[in-house]
Amino acid sequence: AQSVTQLGSHVSVSEGALVLLRCNYSSSVPPYLFWYVQYPNQGLQLLLKYTSAATLVKGINGFEAEFKKSETSFHLTKPSAHMSDAAEYFCAVSDLGSGYALNFGKGTSLLVTP
Amino acid sequence: KAGVTQTPRYLIKTRGQQVTLSCSPISGHRSVSWYQQTPGQGLQFLFEYFSETQRNKGNFPGRFSGRQFSNSRSEMNVSTLELGDSALYLCASSLGPAGGARETQYFGPGTRLLVL
Repeated sequence: AQSVTQLGSHVSVSEGALVLLRCNYSSSVPPYLFWYVQYPNQGLQLLLKYTSAATLVKGINGFEAEFKKSETSFHLTKPSAHMSDAAEYFCAVSDLGSGYALNFGKGTSLLVTP
Repeated sequence: KAGVTQTPRYLIKTRGQQVTLSCSPISGHRSVSWYQQTPGQGLQFLFEYFSETQRNKGNFPGRFSGRQFSNSRSEMNVSTLELGDSALYLCASSLGPAGGARETQYFGPGTRLLVL
């Protein structure tokens, strides 16, 4: 069965610092991988999606993620954090076993300090 | 193009009642998926509808049901509400033919249900 583990339920960075949010997955078949962001009282917004093309995926708002099959990881990064990046971030996996439904991690709350 | 809309945005019910939530997908989208978000269990998949048929179902009891209309709008119903059903219910729409998250899913703002 597929699963997603997000390391660190809370991450704090200074404005301008590197953002690194960790995600490890398990899947018995080639997966689709996603990062979503959720701002307070809002739905989910897709940041980026891996679909077995390039292993380095660029998303919106300067975010990118690298698919590493050997490490079963899909970590999210951004070179320089902005105050507006403060939000909840969810990693998700989707594969044939789940009928391609999204299986989400528990989420990481990103705090950006001045 | 208008995004996914969900109504109502907030709802308060008491145990034992039933509730119906509505989701209108983006124009042209034929697939609607529903997810439940709670602090304890996180985001969990409920079901997916495509062309008025349930295409996929998560691991929820039969009290949770849904349907889709010919205009792709979807409703989900929860009968005999329990305290644990308090959650944010999110729907997501996509074009539809490929199924699930193989196509980009666009989420609505959610309906927050409180069961007292």
